[in-house]
Amino acid sequence: SQQGEEDPQALSIQEGENATMNCSYKTSINNLQWYRQNSGRGLVHLILIRSNEREKHSGRLRVTLDTSKKSSSLLITASRAADTASYFCATDTGGFKTIFGAGTRLFVKA
Amino acid sequence: NAGVTQTPKFQVLKTGQSMTLQCAQDMNHEYMSWYRQDPGMGLRLIHYSVGAGITDQGEVPNGYNVSRSTTEDFPLRLLSAAPSQTSVYFCASSPYSGRSETQYFGPGTRLLVL
Repeated sequence: SQQGEEDPQALSIQEGENATMNCSYKTSINNLQWYRQNSGRGLVHLILIRSNEREKHSGRLRVTLDTSKKSSSLLITASRAADTASYFCATDTGGFKTIFGAGTRLFVKA
Repeated sequence: NAGVTQTPKFQVLKTGQSMTLQCAQDMNHEYMSWYRQDPGMGLRLIHYSVGAGITDQGEVPNGYNVSRSTTEDFPLRLLSAAPSQTSVYFCASSPYSGRSETQYFGPGTRLLVL
C-alpha cells in the first residue's frame, strides 16, 4: 500500500503562475521528501523536510509539513515551462524504506 | 562521476525467462534500492541494501532476487518473468549511511514481458 497520496493528480497552469501540490500520508514519519521526474527519466531529489520542521525553502520551492494533519505541500513560485514534470512525495518512516506516492503531473504552458 | 547507471535501457522477455538488471554507482554510497514504476502509480520498493552483503525486502519482493557483493553493484534478478513484471525499473542510491533519504536515481530499465 502507498503511504503518500498527492493531490491533485494533474495540474495545468500558465507560465509565471504558482503551482501548489499536496501530499497526505497515513503513519508517523521521520522525514518527507519531494522528487521531480521528467518524462522518460529517473527521479531527481528536490527537498527533504524532517518531522520536526514546519517549512523549508530551496530557490523557487517552498515545502510545508503539518504532522498533526499528516500532510505536506509543495509550492513552486513563478513557474516556468521547464517545470513541466511529475512531482512525487516520498515518506520515510524508519530510515531504510522510502515510500512514494502516485505523483502529481504538472503542465506549465508557455 | 557517472552517478547511478543501469543496463540495459530496454529489454523484451518471454514469460518464464530469467534475466538480470544491472545497477552500478561510483559515489561510494552504502544504501542502494530497486523500485518499479507502473502507469498511474508511484514507485514501489522491491529490495534494498544498506551495505555490501546486506539486503532486505521492500513492498513488492516476490519474483525478484538481489545480491550485494560490492558497494558499487546491486543487480536485480528476475527468476521467471511474468507479464505482471512489465514495468519500468529504477535503481537508486543514497549518500547517507544506512538511510534511504535523498536518493540518486538511475535512468531506468524498461522491461516488457510477453
